Amino acid sequence: GAGVSQTPSNKVTEKGKYVELRCDPISGHTALYWYRQSLGQGPEFLIYFQGTGAADDSGLPNDRFFAVRPEGSVSTLKIQRTERGDSAVYLCASSFDPTSGYTFGSGTRLTVV
Amino acid sequence: QKEVEQDPGPLSVPEGAIVSLNCTYSNSAFQYFMWYRQYSRKGPELLMYTYSSGNKEDGRFTAQVDKSSKYISLFIRDSQPSDSATYLCAMSFPDSTSYGKLTFGQGTILTVHP
Repeated sequence: GAGVSQTPSNKVTEKGKYVELRCDPISGHTALYWYRQSLGQGPEFLIYFQGTGAADDSGLPNDRFFAVRPEGSVSTLKIQRTERGDSAVYLCASSFDPTSGYTFGSGTRLTVV
Repeated sequence: QKEVEQDPGPLSVPEGAIVSLNCTYSNSAFQYFMWYRQYSRKGPELLMYTYSSGNKEDGRFTAQVDKSSKYISLFIRDSQPSDSATYLCAMSFPDSTSYGKLTFGQGTILTVHP
């Protein structure tokens, strides 16, 4: 596609529920990143994929968070047992290679009530 | 203390003004420096990318890096109302395992009024 596509754009879920957030990167981009942005803050790194493998998952806050990219294209961020503190905008980005600036999607706004 | 500090503003200027946005950082290992612009309810958009000290110019935008002072700046000349957005500085390490892992500042909210 022309840009990075994230679905859904908005997600409201109840505390304790499981959610999946999807990212469809720009075609041909091998590097894919997930960030989380809280209100009034800059994005915070969660995880980086190079191809199918997670090259760096040091930003995942705890084991409730997991991400996959099984075919090296679309990625899914999975959050188990959601908490109110997980409410944020989850941003996905992709690039041809990690040394260049990358293209962000518009994000998924997650609200846990 | 955060690794990257950025004054959140808000900053309000008249149309045509020169805008100066700044970030300081504490980790001298940062080697790549970027400025992103983020409109409301949109993802950040890359404006400028540099890896060396000095100035880099692109149209109305100039990015400046001073590694000795751990200080970066973005200047916007002839500012326009369409420049109203949040501006985020970001930086990364050259380590191959951390390539692309960006550390962002908090963002500065800029309003350019007609």
